Formats: sequence, C-alpha cells, structure tokens
Amino acid sequence: DAKTTQPPSMDCAEGRAANLPCNHSTISGNEYVYWYRQIHSQGPQYIIHGLKNNETNEMASLIITEDRKSSTLILPHATLRDTAVYYCIVQGYSTLTFGKGTMLLVSP
Amino acid sequence: DSGVTQTPKHLITATGQRVTLRCSPRSGDLSVYWYQQSLDQGLQFLIQYYNGEERAKGNILERFSAQQFPDLHSELNLSSLELGDSALYFCASSVAPGQGSNEKLFFGSGTQLSVL
Repeated sequence: DAKTTQPPSMDCAEGRAANLPCNHSTISGNEYVYWYRQIHSQGPQYIIHGLKNNETNEMASLIITEDRKSSTLILPHATLRDTAVYYCIVQGYSTLTFGKGTMLLVSP
Repeated sequence: DSGVTQTPKHLITATGQRVTLRCSPRSGDLSVYWYQQSLDQGLQFLIQYYNGEERAKGNILERFSAQQFPDLHSELNLSSLELGDSALYFCASSVAPGQGSNEKLFFGSGTQLSVL
C-alpha cells in the first residue's frame, strides 16, 4: 500500500473550518484514501473515504486532487469535540495500516 | 457507539500470567480485526479473522493467539505476559473479508491491559 505523509500537528479555532492535508504521491489506481480519527484513548472512528471523486458526508468532506497524489479532509465547522488524531490511510489489498496521523487541536 | 463490544474494559495482571480479551462484532459483520496500541508503537495490526478462519496476520507475537467462534465473537489470548505487553487492545469489525478496498472498519472502545 502507498505511504502517506501528514503534518504531526495542526491548530484550529472553534467554528472555523479545519483543513487537514495528506500526501500520497505513490498511490496506485485501485487504492482508496481513508480517513479515521481517534479521540484520546478511544477506538478509531471512520470518517470518510474516496477513490477519485470528492466525497461528503455528515462528518466531513474529502477533496482528492485530480492526479490523486494528495487529499484534504475538511471539517467545515470544527468544535472542541473534534480535537483528535486524524489518520490518512491509503488502502489497497491489505489490512488497514495506521501511521502517526495529525494531532488536531481545536481551541475556543 | 460503533456496535463493537469489547470486554473487559480494564485488566490488571502480573508478569507471566495469561489473559483473554473478548470481542463481539457488529451485527452482520463477519470480519474481526485485533490491533495493539502502545505509546511508542502506535496502532499495530495483529491479526484478522473472517467467518471463523484466519485471514491475515500482522505483528502478532507467538505468545499471542486468537480465534473466532461460530457465533462470530472473537477472543485474543495473551500468555507469558511481559511488562511491554501493557497496551490498549482494540477490536474492529467489518462486513467483508478484508484485504480489499472500499471497506470500512468499526472499532470497539478497547481493553486497557496493565502488566505489573
């Protein structure tokens, strides 16, 4: 599976949009981009995933560049409860492998 | 609530002992995954079962074993415990066999194991 690169930490003000970047320049055509998050010591939570097109659900939006080498997870109106570690994962034909993720801190 | 149930939530034991962690997957899910999370290693995949059969193996020690029963619940057995086995152990479930794209995992709330 392709490797991903994420910034180790980001800050966001409450109520503002949080834009979390992920680089996956070696992604191949059959690999999906997944986002999970983990709130302190809780089990990871699925957020969203996509292949080529942009995706949106009740939690977030996923923007994938046309060349698929990078993506951005958007939390449109971040709240304090969105403070968590966010994992960007590229998955093909193997089990989900978590990296170090981005620690997002949402402040009042 | 993910629908995945793990018991117990906390477990304290001594070195050399053996423990069993239990996981009940979401209704309808056939795959169960076990992950270990320690402070220095992050989330590490241990093993996966699909409909009772071992499907994939990760960084699981020989002292550890798992199985999935006909009712689809799974147990992770940890033996000859060492201090370094202290960690959070998560179970996850999914509908499909795994090892494929377009499939999401649902995680339980974990079992915190402390080996003293």
